[in-house]
Amino acid sequence: GEDVEQSLFLSVREGDSSVINCTYTDSSSTYLYWYKQEPGAGLQLLTYIFSNMDMKQDQRLTVLLNKKDKHLSLRIADTQTGDSAIYFCAESTTDSWGKLQFGAGTQVVVTP
Amino acid sequence: DAGITQSPRYKITETGRQVTLMCHQTWSHSYMFWYRQDLGHGLRLIYYSAAADITDKGEVPDGYVVSRSKTENFPLTLESATRSQTSVYFCASSRQGAMNTEAFFGQGTRLTVV
Repeated sequence: GEDVEQSLFLSVREGDSSVINCTYTDSSSTYLYWYKQEPGAGLQLLTYIFSNMDMKQDQRLTVLLNKKDKHLSLRIADTQTGDSAIYFCAESTTDSWGKLQFGAGTQVVVTP
Repeated sequence: DAGITQSPRYKITETGRQVTLMCHQTWSHSYMFWYRQDLGHGLRLIYYSAAADITDKGEVPDGYVVSRSKTENFPLTLESATRSQTSVYFCASSRQGAMNTEAFFGQGTRLTVV
């Protein structure tokens, strides 16, 4: 089964905040990532967080990590129509050397 | 042009045929990866390579073959295509040994096996 789980769909109004959630099972996860995939395109790295951090903020993006519960979230402030995409949570572990384990992806639809 | 490119972007093939998907990167990244993307499964790793002439299986390697004779190229071959291999295939590359490194993805190849 999946080691990384995400909800599959999120609808949000333009200007509101979006919160995308992810859970993972591997306690040796070292880095956790958020990738964005726009229609017909490959994946682009949005942000990542090291497992000994609780929070990371980068402009409109805030990543929260609860290591005890193995829960990761991505908050997008002031969501825009250009934020409509599929968002993937991924993890790498100390023995994976760059191999990423992805979740199924959350499709975010931003409505006017 | 700098970057990572995949070819072809779209391919239709018949069951039982051999087909090769190409991947080329210009950064001299040591690590390269092949993933397949299927609805409800996210991306699953097929094969990866840590350097030229070094390859290893990922999560779903059956029915696929890879080679890496040159650092910049990492072709993926379906030896005898099956309908279950209909998918979108992504190649990616990253720098060696740094887990906080970004993986750069190609645009993807949409393969349909009929």
